[in-house]
Amino acid sequence: DMKVTQMPRYLIKRMGENVLLECGQDMSHETMYWYRQDPGLGLQLIYISYDVDSNSEGDIPKGYRVSRKKREHFSLILDSAKTNQTSVYFCASSWGGRGAEQFFGPGTRLTVL
Amino acid sequence: GQQVQQSPASLVLQEGENAELQCNFSSTATRLQWFYQRPGGSLVSLLSNPSGTKHTGRLTSTTVTKERRGSLHISSSQITDSGTYLCAMERDTGYQNFYFGKGTSLTVIP
Repeated sequence: DMKVTQMPRYLIKRMGENVLLECGQDMSHETMYWYRQDPGLGLQLIYISYDVDSNSEGDIPKGYRVSRKKREHFSLILDSAKTNQTSVYFCASSWGGRGAEQFFGPGTRLTVL
Repeated sequence: GQQVQQSPASLVLQEGENAELQCNFSSTATRLQWFYQRPGGSLVSLLSNPSGTKHTGRLTSTTVTKERRGSLHISSSQITDSGTYLCAMERDTGYQNFYFGKGTSLTVIP
């Protein structure tokens, strides 16, 4: 079953708290991605990971860090969350990176108060 | 910064009509990718196209990277095609990055 999962699906945090968003995939995909989506702004790429411990910044990495210690698992960490990080976060994975079809998770709706 | 402009912003079609979605971008792209976002929010990759024309099912993607434009043609639209179509400019010269447009919202009515 080809699947990308995200946990949690909904999260409410206070400004300054730490946030951990988790993503998993069961397809042994090498490449994984974290995006955020805000109303009227489309998707923005935060980080790409090409394999375990091989991560690359996307368009908006500031305020985020990632961890990939196993191929099937990719975490997004917000240290001391800010209100402007309220968004919907999508994780995706693909075979290889360049031009490959991406498989998306269902998204995590994060609210930072 | 990088800019991707999609047009039209929204489109209403009757079932069976064709749709033409445009994507223009402001700098050099390696390829264009098209994505579909369902009304409930889930995302699906549709097509990846570095240049020329690619077909899959009722979808045809045309990319002219030298002219910094692309399009997605949907033939014989169906009600289930309703949703938002996102164009993304992919660059992988050195490091890889994606820049998304704001999308075209398509509504197909009976």
